[in-house]
Amino acid sequence: GAVVSQHPSRVICKSGTSVKIECRSLDFQATTMFWYRQFPKQSLMLMATSNEGSKATYEQGVEKDKFLINHASLTLSTLTVTSAHPEDSSFYICSAGGGAGTVNTEAFFGQGTRLTVV
Amino acid sequence: AQSVTQPDIHITVSEGASLELRCNYSYGATPYLFWYVQSPGQGLQLLLKYFSGDTLVQGIKGFEAEFKRSQSSFNLRKPSVHWSDAAEYFCAVGPTGANNLFFGTGTRLTVIP
Repeated sequence: GAVVSQHPSRVICKSGTSVKIECRSLDFQATTMFWYRQFPKQSLMLMATSNEGSKATYEQGVEKDKFLINHASLTLSTLTVTSAHPEDSSFYICSAGGGAGTVNTEAFFGQGTRLTVV
Repeated sequence: AQSVTQPDIHITVSEGASLELRCNYSYGATPYLFWYVQSPGQGLQLLLKYFSGDTLVQGIKGFEAEFKRSQSSFNLRKPSVHWSDAAEYFCAVGPTGANNLFFGTGTRLTVIP
């Protein structure tokens, strides 16, 4: 299957700083990528849909100014957590799929990023 | 609105025993259904998926799942559990395929010798 690489796998940052997480599709072009967040002992919740060359679509309750998403190429989407606070500590995971409006038969997930804000 | 319910938060089974993990969904039409497994600190691996056709779906690692429309269920089964199956299992619904998935809260599987 296709490979999605997410980097870094773990990051610890100080409160108030920004952290960038990268999601790359290594062997296919991903016109759409998805960012999920998983709090401890909870399920994954979709944060936003990232479309190459256009603005991301955020789910209700997700602050777009805090979670900046850039999808500048067909193989790379980035999530930047700006002015991170301890409550942003979570497991962030991306997935890549087909284009919007298509029936994508499988989402390929990255390894996830464990963010700890101290 | 779509929703996915996994009633069992934690299940413990003996190695070699059979396993069934429950999943119920709420959706207006027949959705696309998935089961993923997550090992500690790892990403998600697709076990199997149902889009249409035969309601009994075979997946990797000896897992299977059966879609029952009348019960809005998509339970995951394995006839004989191995110690390496210990992990977190997520059922997911995708209204338009694998995009924009709605996940259940997960079932943590513990396997005892």
